[in-house]
Amino acid sequence: DAGVTQSPTHLIKTRGQQVTLRCSPKSGHDTVSWYQQALGQGPQFIFQYYEEEERQRGNFPDRFSGHQFPNYSSELNVNALLLGDSALYLCASSQPGGDGYTFGSGTRLTVV
Amino acid sequence: DQQVKQNSPSLSVQEGRISILNCDYTNSMFDYFLWYKKYPAEGPTFLISISSIKDKNEDGRFTVFLNKSAKHLSLHIVPSQPGDSAVYFCAAEGAGSYQLTFGKGTKLSVIP
Repeated sequence: DAGVTQSPTHLIKTRGQQVTLRCSPKSGHDTVSWYQQALGQGPQFIFQYYEEEERQRGNFPDRFSGHQFPNYSSELNVNALLLGDSALYLCASSQPGGDGYTFGSGTRLTVV
Repeated sequence: DQQVKQNSPSLSVQEGRISILNCDYTNSMFDYFLWYKKYPAEGPTFLISISSIKDKNEDGRFTVFLNKSAKHLSLHIVPSQPGDSAVYFCAAEGAGSYQLTFGKGTKLSVIP
């Protein structure tokens, strides 16, 4: 039973570019949350998707956007990349009334 | 403004002894608390949780204590094992909220 799958595992982008990160939730989970973990910090909530809609958003600018597909997988898009966007991006899936959040191993984004 | 604080960046404990990891929070709306363990190059893994209506929850070697009046929780690991060496994150969730608010983490090293 696959857990949460994220791709790619590592990515290097140039300042000003755009990036798309992908997440496949754990089997049976229908909700996807995205977190940003900067070096030496705890994960910070970006947003959560449920029923293909953004259900809640953290304190991140509009450059961060997302999408959820009918198969519950999700994408995180970041436009106009800044050096400060360099971080580990974690995807977590869950289901209502379920067993909590299951995290993927993350995508390490480096902006140069 | 950090709402969940883990004031000890690191902790070293001898194998077989007790490890105590501490966490403080400021937001009175938090009503559910979780501990996650994270190994390098992996996503956070759920360890144990506690609802605000309880003051203690046990699961094998892991016990979480909650002191609501002090807005403080702690994770006890007894006995500590070398495989417990990891970064431990405290996280909190408020009623009706879909986001986890994390602390910065405490790196636990269990010395054989």
